[in-house]
Amino acid sequence: SAVISQKPSRDICQRGTSLTIQCQVDSQVTMMFWYRQQPGQSLTLIATANQGSEATYESGFVIDKFPISRPNLTFSTLTVSNMSPEDSSIYLCSVVVGGNQPQHFGDGTRLSIL
Amino acid sequence: RKEVEQDPGPFNVPEGATVAFNCTYSNSASQSFFWYRQDCRKEPKLLMSVYSSGNEDGRFTAQLNRASQYISLLIRDSKLSDSATYLCVVNSNTGNQFYFGTGTSLTVIP
Repeated sequence: SAVISQKPSRDICQRGTSLTIQCQVDSQVTMMFWYRQQPGQSLTLIATANQGSEATYESGFVIDKFPISRPNLTFSTLTVSNMSPEDSSIYLCSVVVGGNQPQHFGDGTRLSIL
Repeated sequence: RKEVEQDPGPFNVPEGATVAFNCTYSNSASQSFFWYRQDCRKEPKLLMSVYSSGNEDGRFTAQLNRASQYISLLIRDSKLSDSATYLCVVNSNTGNQFYFGTGTSLTVIP
């Protein structure tokens, strides 16, 4: 399985600001995903990060609010823009090494908005 | 209908008990299946993949029933350290989409 480094591990931010979360993998992977998990809830997929092109967003998530980059096969960023307290959550990146393989998750970013 | 349905529990069982979780899925063409474990405030970690023939890893047994479209996880001789949330995950027939169950909470009691 891949080794995934996700940064920052946690942050406390002021409303109206933006935060960029980084996800670095130690090997090339076919797929990278960004999830959100609110307290007591299951994971919600935000988007699939596509290498060299725009991310594919799930219903309820838009690029202006959650811009995503994936410049290569080992790195992706998620920005949470113009944050409000409702954005307080754990944000997780995950990767898939190859076809029909399971996802492996980063440690997550615990984000609190004041 | 949800892609994946999972009983949220909670399951509270004594140490040493055997406990089973089921998860049903709606797409009969789904390709692959997994069980994850998630501890409180931690990321999900892969517990085991689920193979058509069923597979076992120590005290854990995973099974797939394609005819009835469900997967199961059996935990024998429960330990206190097994307390966690268990998530089933189904990969779509295209291989590009993963569907998560809501998770089943397990507490093993001394």
